Amino acid sequence: EAGVAQSPRYKIIEKRQSVAFWCNPISGHATLYWYQQILGQGPKLLIQFQNNGVVDDSQLPKDRFSAERLKGVDSTLKIQPAKLEDSAVYLCASSPINRQRGVRSSYEQYFGPGTRLTVT
Amino acid sequence: RKEVEQDPGPFNVPEGATVAFNCTYSNSASQSFFWYRQDCRKEPKLLMSVYSSGNEDGRFTAQLTRASQYISLLIRDSKISDSATYLCVVNQGGATNKLIFGTGTLLAVQP
Repeated sequence: EAGVAQSPRYKIIEKRQSVAFWCNPISGHATLYWYQQILGQGPKLLIQFQNNGVVDDSQLPKDRFSAERLKGVDSTLKIQPAKLEDSAVYLCASSPINRQRGVRSSYEQYFGPGTRLTVT
Repeated sequence: RKEVEQDPGPFNVPEGATVAFNCTYSNSASQSFFWYRQDCRKEPKLLMSVYSSGNEDGRFTAQLTRASQYISLLIRDSKISDSATYLCVVNQGGATNKLIFGTGTLLAVQP
């Protein structure tokens, strides 16, 4: 089974430039997550999609970050304009959430390899 | 107070040693708990879930103590290949399945 795919793997940009990251989740996974992992810290959730709807974007800096998942499969995360403090690894994850009454949901999240962003 | 707190380490131990990682969480309503492993410059991967009854997977034992909001991971007979960062993770449940990650504890097993 193919894992979560992300591109690009690395990106170097100057501050105030724009950048976009792409994620293709595991086939059939309804839920998609974008995380930011700053060096020395654990991943922090930026946004969560259930199919093509946003479930949680409470920690997304909406003045500069945006994300979409138009057809409920692939997703893009954009930063415009970038700041130095945006330097981090951006991880995409997916999970096969399937909520039915009385059935335990699968909570495991599968992560992609990440995009390492350096803002200079 | 951080939602999930871990000792960042690093833990430098000789091969064959037993090493224990601790973690505390602040939200008493949290519903499920995990340890993830993250190798250098790689993505996190689920190591094991954590239950109140304790669970064991080979050399790894995880334990949850809800009363003190405490999670532990014990690695016995450590191998060089166990060197990685171990992330304590709490699922707050509800409709979002939101995972809260600790900062991770770096383990370096020396030959």
